[in-house]
Amino acid sequence: EAQVTQNPRYLITVTGKKLTVTCSQNMNHEYMSWYRQDPGLGLRQIYYSMNVEVTDKGDVPEGYKVSRKEKRNFPLILESPSPNQTSLYFCASSLGSPGMGTEAFFGQGTRLTVV
Amino acid sequence: KNQVEQSPQSLIILEGKNCTLQCNYTVSPFSNLRWYKQDTGRGPVSLTIMTFSENTKSNGRYTATLDADTKQSSLHITASQLSDSASYICVVSGDTDKLIFGTGTRLQVFP
Repeated sequence: EAQVTQNPRYLITVTGKKLTVTCSQNMNHEYMSWYRQDPGLGLRQIYYSMNVEVTDKGDVPEGYKVSRKEKRNFPLILESPSPNQTSLYFCASSLGSPGMGTEAFFGQGTRLTVV
Repeated sequence: KNQVEQSPQSLIILEGKNCTLQCNYTVSPFSNLRWYKQDTGRGPVSLTIMTFSENTKSNGRYTATLDADTKQSSLHITASQLSDSASYICVVSGDTDKLIFGTGTRLQVFP
């Protein structure tokens, strides 16, 4: 089954404790991205990757890091989480970039709480 | 500034009724427009994708229209069901590598 898998689904952590949210897709997609969703706001892009070893900042990259060492995986790293990073996070993948009109598939989401 | 605005913010209808959701965008240049359905706490799921040359596209009971001249789109839901209760998000892409999301319309369908 074609899917984007995020782990964990739920995470509560303390300020400053490094964490990684994993994202894996089994569709051989080139384009992957991370979004955060907050109440009253649309999804906002954190980082995206056009292919292996190619990453770029989205609209809200501060406080986050990513890597793309393999095509299928695109982990999101919070080196020193802060309470304002409490949010619902989504990973997405597509065969090509959004401008190409290819369908984007989203993961189930990771609800992160930083206390 | 590239923006996507949706209306209404929320909508309540009775099961079996039809409804129409609106999307206005200022993204330029324009590449494609998508409608997604998002159940509470879940990831968005694609309903339709339209390029500037398409003015209507259907997916079952969902029909999306696009007017690229006025930069407006609508999503029409026919014979609503309880399972249609969700947020519906309009998403536009220009010539960049990004998707621009609206804030969504929250639809509640009651029996």
